[in-house]
Amino acid sequence: AQTVTQSQPEMSVQEAETVTLSCTYDTSESNYYLFWYKQPPSRQMILVIRQEAYKQQNATENRFSVNFQKAAKSFSLKISDSQLGDTAMYFCAFINTGTASKLTFGTGTRLQVTL
Amino acid sequence: GAVVSQHPSWVICKSGTSVKIECRSLDFQATTMFWYRQFPKQSLMLMATSNEGSKATYEQGVEKDKFLINHASLTLSTLTVTSAHPEDSSFYICSADSFSGRAKYEQYFGPGTRLTVT
Repeated sequence: AQTVTQSQPEMSVQEAETVTLSCTYDTSESNYYLFWYKQPPSRQMILVIRQEAYKQQNATENRFSVNFQKAAKSFSLKISDSQLGDTAMYFCAFINTGTASKLTFGTGTRLQVTL
Repeated sequence: GAVVSQHPSWVICKSGTSVKIECRSLDFQATTMFWYRQFPKQSLMLMATSNEGSKATYEQGVEKDKFLINHASLTLSTLTVTSAHPEDSSFYICSADSFSGRAKYEQYFGPGTRLTVT
């Protein structure tokens, strides 16, 4: 079974600074996708970034980038130039492409961006 | 694109009654839809996976007779909480995947439904 671990329940960062959220996962599969989802106070889940396991290049989306270390099974999210609107719960998620497409979520990291 | 709606967004019902939650993919066809439950300050817990025209697959520990799921079309799935009790109070979220193109394996989430059973 796949597991996703987020070891930081809460984090805080000042506006305009950079913050990194950690995520590790465990799987015996070789083909999978990894995601970071954001859940703001509205509770709407929003996809932040995705990474295909077969790609060595780290994904980037504007201020968001990942550090994907496949051998270490690590998938951290870096948020640059943090904005107040980044305040949210962030969930790391895993999906194995070889079986039914069920997302496995981590426990989440609550990020607070302060002035 | 890839918008998923849920209705209602908030519902209060009395213990013993049933309540239906709708999940619609507005601008794409969703072969597979998923239903999650989320307790306060916790992660999403998958309840079941539904495929259009077939019976839903429930996760271990989820009572299929209590949480009835119907996926009648490629754009609509419903979750009915039968004989609801206060412990069923929670935030229910649906999602749909597109299984196509760049968005393959991505899930698009509805805004959620807050159920309160009194």
